[in-house]
Amino acid sequence: SQQGEEDPQALSIQEGENATMNCSYKTSINNLQWYRQNSGRGLVHLILIRSNEREKHSGRLRVTLDTSKKSSSLLITASRAADTASYFCATDLKAAGNKLTFGGGTRVLVKP
Amino acid sequence: DGGITQSPKYLFRKEGQNVTLSCEQNLNHDAMYWYRQDPGQGLRLIYYSQIVNDFQKGDIAEGYSVSREKKESFPLTVTSAQKNPTAFYLCASSLWTEHPNSPLHFGNGTRLTVT
Repeated sequence: SQQGEEDPQALSIQEGENATMNCSYKTSINNLQWYRQNSGRGLVHLILIRSNEREKHSGRLRVTLDTSKKSSSLLITASRAADTASYFCATDLKAAGNKLTFGGGTRVLVKP
Repeated sequence: DGGITQSPKYLFRKEGQNVTLSCEQNLNHDAMYWYRQDPGQGLRLIYYSQIVNDFQKGDIAEGYSVSREKKESFPLTVTSAQKNPTAFYLCASSLWTEHPNSPLHFGNGTRLTVT
């Protein structure tokens, strides 16, 4: 199975609601990153959280990291139709020469 | 504007033909990467390069080849040995792979269809 696995695989919400997705991983990391991908496009970096950080904010995004549980969550507050995209977590593994390993993603649909 | 350019956006080839995907960056990044994405899936690393004239295999390198003759360019060749080449290919760059906090910048991908 992949190092970073997102949950749920898909999420459908109404505009204005919050969207939460989770990422679990198996081995020690240097950092964990979240990316967004619009359909048919490349990925865009959203936020990076280091292994010694517990929470980080960027605009309407809030990321938490629990290294004891080997998990992270991404919260998008007050969602907009433009937030419709796939969201991926990527782990920077200490054992993998700092190469990023991506999960399968969460597909988020925000209905207007 | 600085960025990564992948070309072409769509590519069609017959089975048995080699095909080369272009990736150029003007971000002055040292490291470049090739990922493959299948429908509804995450990204899998094909090859990466930390410096000019050097590159390493990723998790799924079989049937692919790369070169890094210039810092700005990292072309990927999909050879006829790749058993299932139809996929979305993404090129990325970062400041350098040894820096643990260096995010990736992605191009907009090339969708390759082999029939």
